[in-house]
Amino acid sequence: DGGITQSPKYLFRKEGQNVTLSCEQNLNHDAMYWYRQDPGQGLRLIYYSQIVNDFQKGDIAEGYSVSREKKESFPLTVTSAQKNPTAFYLCASSIAPWTAGTSGVFSYEQYFGPGTRLTVT
Amino acid sequence: AQKITQTQPGMFVQEKEAVTLDCTYDTSDPSYGLFWYKQPSSGEMIFLIYQGSYDQQNATEGRYSLNFQKARKSANLVISASQLGDSAMYFCAMREGIGTGGFKTIFGAGTRLFVKA
Repeated sequence: DGGITQSPKYLFRKEGQNVTLSCEQNLNHDAMYWYRQDPGQGLRLIYYSQIVNDFQKGDIAEGYSVSREKKESFPLTVTSAQKNPTAFYLCASSIAPWTAGTSGVFSYEQYFGPGTRLTVT
Repeated sequence: AQKITQTQPGMFVQEKEAVTLDCTYDTSDPSYGLFWYKQPSSGEMIFLIYQGSYDQQNATEGRYSLNFQKARKSANLVISASQLGDSAMYFCAMREGIGTGGFKTIFGAGTRLFVKA
């Protein structure tokens, strides 16, 4: 079945360590995204990628890094520079907006993975 | 400035009754899209319904309908005939496109819905 996988579901790290969260999709989507969710808050965009070897910062990119070497994969590294890394991280993918047609540029659906809950102590 | 506002942190509804989840938004862009997502306790986000800013009719998808009032900048989700499986967090979201080429989606803080048997 097509979909998005994130691993692991739960991740524990010590403060000061970098940690990489995995995101893989087999939907043949060009665009991929990383969001952070904190209790009582909506999703906030960390990074997004429109195409392989290209990515842009979202609203809260500080302390995070990404790579997009393959269409299927968009790993997120939470670095030691991220001041408050404990959160729920969601990866998503979609078609690229320019392929949705003029009327569809806003209507395309984002498909989400099951998320990774990161706890840093 | 907060662009998506969901004023109901929690809502209760009796099974088989209808419930309305509120969402207001703020944008100066004439072209935008509005979405509702469901997040069960397992964590994944499930797309429910979409409304475009130029759509003349309110969107419907099965038991879900979107009450779109453009002048009031509101996009309330109506769930008819609630089921126990509807208990979840519900997020309203908006996508503007001009500045980011259609890539940026902004989410509200969510409303937790509890369906009572």
